[in-house]
Amino acid sequence: GAVVSQHPSWVICKSGTSVKIECRSLDFQATTMFWYRQFPKQSLMLMATSNEGSKATYEQGVEKDKFLINHASLTLSTLTVTSAHPEDSSFYICSARDGTGGIQYFGAGTRLSVL
Amino acid sequence: QKEVEQNSGPLSVPEGAIASLNCTYSDRGSQSFFWYRQYSGKSPELIMSIYSNGDKEDGRFTAQLNKASQYVSLLIRDSQPSDSATYLCAVFFTGGGNKLTFGTGTQLKVEL
Repeated sequence: GAVVSQHPSWVICKSGTSVKIECRSLDFQATTMFWYRQFPKQSLMLMATSNEGSKATYEQGVEKDKFLINHASLTLSTLTVTSAHPEDSSFYICSARDGTGGIQYFGAGTRLSVL
Repeated sequence: QKEVEQNSGPLSVPEGAIASLNCTYSDRGSQSFFWYRQYSGKSPELIMSIYSNGDKEDGRFTAQLNKASQYVSLLIRDSQPSDSATYLCAVFFTGGGNKLTFGTGTQLKVEL
């Protein structure tokens, strides 16, 4: 299957700082990438859909000014959590779609802890 | 609202048994269906995709799709403790915002 690389896998930061998470499709071009958040023992929650070269589409209730998404190329999307607070601590997972068949491949996830 | 429903479980099966995981979806026009496995603390990984009615087999896994009844299932033969995980059903809805809709997942426990 296709490979999606996500970095960092784990980050600890102080409250008020910003954190950038990178998501790369290594062996395919991904016109669409997705960002999810998952709290312990809860379901995946889609935060936003990003299309290469255009603005991301955010799900209802997700603050676009807090979670900045950039999809500058067909293989790279970034999520920046701005002015992070302890309630932003979560498991953030990116996903990339290969072609139009609907298959989404997931990165390994980033565990964010905000102190 | 396009929905995907799964029993949250946990579903407990003895080692070596067949585990049967079920999923129903709301949109009759859906065309693409997927099963993902998620271990605790890890991200989802794709197990199977299925696009047409009937069965699709891959090793110990068999996906079954019945579009008329709007359900898709996953059978795991010879279940192993390493199969213990949460299994997510995902559907690509036609006109569903160009994204997969996930069920909440079924937790499977394979007991020794």
